[in-house]
Amino acid sequence: DAEITQSPRHKITETGRQVTLACHQTWNHNNMFWYRQDLGHGLRLIHYSYGVQDTNKGEVSDGYSVSRSNTEDLPLTLESAASSQTSVYFCASSDGTGNTGELFFGEGSRLTVL
Amino acid sequence: QQQVKQSPQSLIVQKGGISIINCAYENTAFDYFPWYQQFPGKGPALLIAIRPDVSEKKEGRFTISFNKSAKQFSLHIMDSQPGDSATYFCAARGRPGNMLTFGGGTRLMVKP
Repeated sequence: DAEITQSPRHKITETGRQVTLACHQTWNHNNMFWYRQDLGHGLRLIHYSYGVQDTNKGEVSDGYSVSRSNTEDLPLTLESAASSQTSVYFCASSDGTGNTGELFFGEGSRLTVL
Repeated sequence: QQQVKQSPQSLIVQKGGISIINCAYENTAFDYFPWYQQFPGKGPALLIAIRPDVSEKKEGRFTISFNKSAKQFSLHIMDSQPGDSATYFCAARGRPGNMLTFGGGTRLMVKP
């Protein structure tokens, strides 16, 4: 079965360190997204990609970067982790040609920045 | 700026009762309004969705009511069950692409 997987599921790091969260999907979806989930803020879009070599900033992109070198993967990098980036991060994908707009989410990566 | 406002933030309902979650949006260009359900430790998953050309959509115990003129939509869970306990997110889609803007979420607890 097609799926979307995130790794690591849990990560503790220190302020100032670089962190990369991996996202891999096997649906062959063109669209991929990174969201962060914080209490009271719901899901906020960090970055998104509509295809290989395409990346776009979302609502809360400062301090984050992504790259899309193939269809399956969209890694999220925190260049210099800050305590404000402690959150649960969700990767999602969707079929850009579909009409329903359904997003398929991974199970999340919980990041703690000390 | 939150374009989709969701209320309440948390909700406790007795088993068999009706759970109601409300959302309001600002952008009249939104063309698709899904609800996502998230269980603890899991990612959100699509529950039910509606387009602005209909006023209501029902799937089993779940109903979306949509008021285009008021720019509001709501999720009703009839005969709520403990297994419905989860966090619910409303969302709205803008173009281009399938980019969703989510509400703040509602944590629902259904007591036995």
